[in-house]
Formats: sequence, structure tokens, C-alpha cells
Amino acid sequence: DVKVTQSSRYLVKRTGEKVFLECVQDMDHENMFWYRQDPGLGLRLIYFSYDVKMKEKGDIPEGYSVSREKKERFSLILESASTNQTSMYLCASPRTGGFNQPQHFGDGTRLSIL
Amino acid sequence: SQQGEEDPQALSIQEGENATMNCSYKTSINNLQWYRQNSGRGLVHLILIRSNEREKHSGRLRVTLDTSKKSSSLLITASRAADTASYFCATALRGDYKLSFGAGTTVTVRA
Repeated sequence: DVKVTQSSRYLVKRTGEKVFLECVQDMDHENMFWYRQDPGLGLRLIYFSYDVKMKEKGDIPEGYSVSREKKERFSLILESASTNQTSMYLCASPRTGGFNQPQHFGDGTRLSIL
Repeated sequence: SQQGEEDPQALSIQEGENATMNCSYKTSINNLQWYRQNSGRGLVHLILIRSNEREKHSGRLRVTLDTSKKSSSLLITASRAADTASYFCATALRGDYKLSFGAGTTVTVRA
């Protein structure tokens, strides 16, 4: 079955640190997404990537960057972590190539910034 | 604001009862999707309904779509404790690359 794997389930970091969240998919798909999830706000798109080294900003890219050096891996980077980036982060990739298709999600990384 | 918004925010029912939740959206869509999220986990896709469809079934799930009212409903019949989760609708717009998620409905099924 399809798998999207996020490297950490829980992460605690300090303000000002550079934080890397990793996501790997085994579907050989071009498209990958990073969301953050906050109570009452649903999922908000941070960045997505449609191919190696290709990326597009989502709705809330400020304070984040991404890296896609290999097709299977999509990394989310918090350049200088702040407390308002404490959240649940979810990585996803569509089942098939199309953007509008159902997405497979990883189990999420619950990130706390102290 | 979110394209899709669920109602109610929370729902508590007895095992065996039906659970109904609604999703409203603002602009024309290509399709609408429902997802489930168990506590502390990622989202799992449940069902997709296209804009030219009115109703779809999958097991104990029934989804309807009314494009004239820009709304959808998810019905879970004969609920079980394992149905306790948050449920999200997500809309896919024509020509857009992303899904827009609502804030979700939290369903608690009491034994």
C-alpha cells in the first residue's frame, strides 16, 4: 500500500533554532504538500512541490522554506523557529498524478517551539 | 477563510445511531472530498464526489452533493466506537492545484 512517512511524530525545539521536518513517499509521485493544522483553522497549505527542485508557495509560506532534492523526499524548514509555529505539521501526496485527487497523508509531526 | 466549512463543530451520539455532518463552500468546485482523522494521526481519505454527481456510497458512508446550494453532507450509518474521529471536507477547484480544507467536525460515539 501507499506510504507517506514523516520522520518524527513529536519534536521539541527552541526559539531561533533552524528546524527540519522530513517527509518521504514511496509512490514515485511528482506532487507533495506540506500543511499545518491548528484547532479551529483546519489544514492550511504552506508549500507544495510538483517535481524535484520545483516548489510553489501555499497560503502561509512566511517563516518556512522547503527543499526537494530527490523525488521521494520533501523537507520543510523553519528558518528561525518561533513560538507561533508550534503546530501539527502534515505531509501529503496525491494518490495519482492529478492535483485534485485524494491525498495520502503522513501521521504528522507535532512540533513544539519553546 | 476556508473554502469548506463543516457543521456542526462537534457531535456526540450513541453507538448504533447515525451521524450527519455538513459542509458548505463558496465557489464552484471540481470535486469534494471527505477525510477522517483519528486523534494524533494523519488524515485518511474516505470518499470523493465529483461536481456532476449527487450521491455516493461507500460501506456505511453516504455522501451527497448539492451544487446549487454549494453544500455536501456525510452520513455515517450505524455508528461504532471506532468512528470516533474528526471529519474534514476538502474542496478541489477547477484549475487549482490544491485542496481547501474546512475546520472539521469532531464526532464522538458513546458505547
